[in-house]
Order: sequence, then C-alpha cells, then structure tokens
Amino acid sequence: SAVISQKPSRDICQRGTSLTIQCQVDSQVTMMFWYRQQPGQSLTLIATANQGSEATYESGFVIDKFPISRPNLTFSTLTVSNMSPEDSSIYLCSLRTVADTQYFGPGTRLTVL
Amino acid sequence: GNSVTQMEGPVTLSEEAFLTINCTYTATGYPSLFWYVQYPGEGLQLLLKATKADDKGSNKGFEATYRKETTSFHLEKGSVQVSDSAVYFCAFLYGGSQGNLIFGKGTKLSVKP
Repeated sequence: SAVISQKPSRDICQRGTSLTIQCQVDSQVTMMFWYRQQPGQSLTLIATANQGSEATYESGFVIDKFPISRPNLTFSTLTVSNMSPEDSSIYLCSLRTVADTQYFGPGTRLTVL
Repeated sequence: GNSVTQMEGPVTLSEEAFLTINCTYTATGYPSLFWYVQYPGEGLQLLLKATKADDKGSNKGFEATYRKETTSFHLEKGSVQVSDSAVYFCAFLYGGSQGNLIFGKGTKLSVKP
C-alpha cells in the first residue's frame, strides 16, 4: 500500500480567497493526481501532476483556477484560486504505483462561505 | 464510451445479511478493476482489485470476481457488520499505465444492528 498525507484536512474559507493543499507521499512515484469530490458525488479527476513540468488538466479544469506544483516525486500542491461556494468539495490527492494500483489520501474538506 | 454502471443506493441491510453491490463496465480491452470504500468523513481506501479475467479479489470478507463474459465485477460479502456502513465505489483503469481511473457513482450502504 502507500501512505499519503494531506494538509490541511479541512478549512473554511471566504469567497475570493485562495487555498493551497499539500500532498506528501511516502515513496517516489511517477504518477500523482488531484481529484475533486463534490458533496454526495463520485470523484472527478482535476489533473495529473507531472514532476518538473506543467500539470495535465482534464476538460473543465484550468490552470488559472487550479494551479498545481510538483517539485519532486513525493510532493505536490493544489491551489484553489479565487474561491466561490461552488468550490466547496473534498479534494483528494492520489498516486498510482508501478503495479497500476491507485491510492488516495484522506482528503481536504473545503467549505467556501 | 468507457463507463462504469453501479447499483444505485442507498442500500440498507440488517447486520449479518448478505450483501451484493452490482457493477458493470463498458470498455474495450481488459481493464483492471477495483472496489474502493469511503467511510464517513474519510478518504477512499482500496478494498480489493482484480487485473485479469476470472481473478477474484478479496479483503475483509468482501469478494469480487472479474467476469469478462458479462463485463461485471460485483461486490459481495456473506455477513455484513455495522462497521461496513460506508460508500462503495467501483472503478476501472482504462488505457493501461497512463490511462484514467474511471469511477462509478458510488453506493451508500447502511447496516443496522
């Protein structure tokens, strides 16, 4: 398995502000991902965090709104920019092993007022 | 297109009842199949996986068999406990190592004492 930690675990933010979520994994992995889970919904892939290059975003997600950093193989950040109440969700970091098994962090529960 | 169809919930069972949560997928080729569980207030945990036809994944009393002929991966448990109350997500990895993990909508299970 894999150990994935995220900070913060939850936050309540004001409209128009930004929040940066950190993800630390316990082993070097090539593939790291960020997902969003809106209340009562399934998971939606935001982007693949690429080490040393720009993230690859899914349709409907843009870098200006969700900038991602991946400075090394064990760490990544996701920023939720210029937040609105519609951004209230759980944000999950994920990694995929060489055996093509994907693990998830505990999530960051974001509420935007 | 590629998709996962999962039994809709919520599902409410009494303790020690038999559980089945149906999951079928639509994809070309032979994806790897997964079940994840999300306990209240937590992130996703990998429950079990199967990577080829007729493989059976098992963990914590849960089982699922990769049925290529019916493109199904139904989750079963012979005797559920109150602690099994959670949301269960079926998923498959399409496109190999660089592909996307595609999720079902999730099935909420409540087990009553």
